[in-house]
Amino acid sequence: NAGVMQNPRHLVRRRGQEARLRCSPMKGHSHVYWYRQLPEEGLKFMVYLQKENIIDESGMPKERFSAEFPKEGPSILRIQQVVRGDSAAYFCASSPPAGANYGYTFGSGTRLTVV
Amino acid sequence: GNSVTQMEGPVTLSEEAFLTINCTYTATGYPSLFWYVQYPGEGLQLLLKATKADDKGSNKGFEATYRKETTSFHLEKGSVQVSDSAVYFCALRGGYSTLTFGKGTMLLVSP
Repeated sequence: NAGVMQNPRHLVRRRGQEARLRCSPMKGHSHVYWYRQLPEEGLKFMVYLQKENIIDESGMPKERFSAEFPKEGPSILRIQQVVRGDSAAYFCASSPPAGANYGYTFGSGTRLTVV
Repeated sequence: GNSVTQMEGPVTLSEEAFLTINCTYTATGYPSLFWYVQYPGEGLQLLLKATKADDKGSNKGFEATYRKETTSFHLEKGSVQVSDSAVYFCALRGGYSTLTFGKGTMLLVSP
């Protein structure tokens, strides 16, 4: 019973390149969330998706960042034209289609380094 | 909006000491409350939760009680181990909203 799978675990990109982060939710979970963790800071919510729908993207930077959760396949967080400030750990989490009693199950994260 | 405030770390303790990490929250309605733990280089793991006032969540010797009157959910453990060294996050979730996290508190336990 696999948990939330994120890949790659580590990603190095040069400034200006694109970063593509993947997340497969737990079996039976249809809600996906992306969070960013910067050094010495907590987790910042970025986006909440269900299959083929963005539910809440209030935490996403307006430019260069996008997310999708297609009908088939993993959720993708895409960062275009990366800059040094994008270096962080990006965590994906999933939950079942239920209410507040349920916490999230987190993946191990993708650590993005922009050089 | 929802918010969570945790005590700043690092919290440095000797093995077998008593642990308290304070957490207070602001939320409308009746949120569910959570503690997550993050070990170095890993993702977050759910440690315990409480879904209504006066509930006590417990796991692995850790416990926290949902106190609505003081809007608090303090994490406690009677005797910490070196293996408990990690970052601990308090979080809340109200209704169908997303999880809101505190900034995290690093715990360092020495032998």
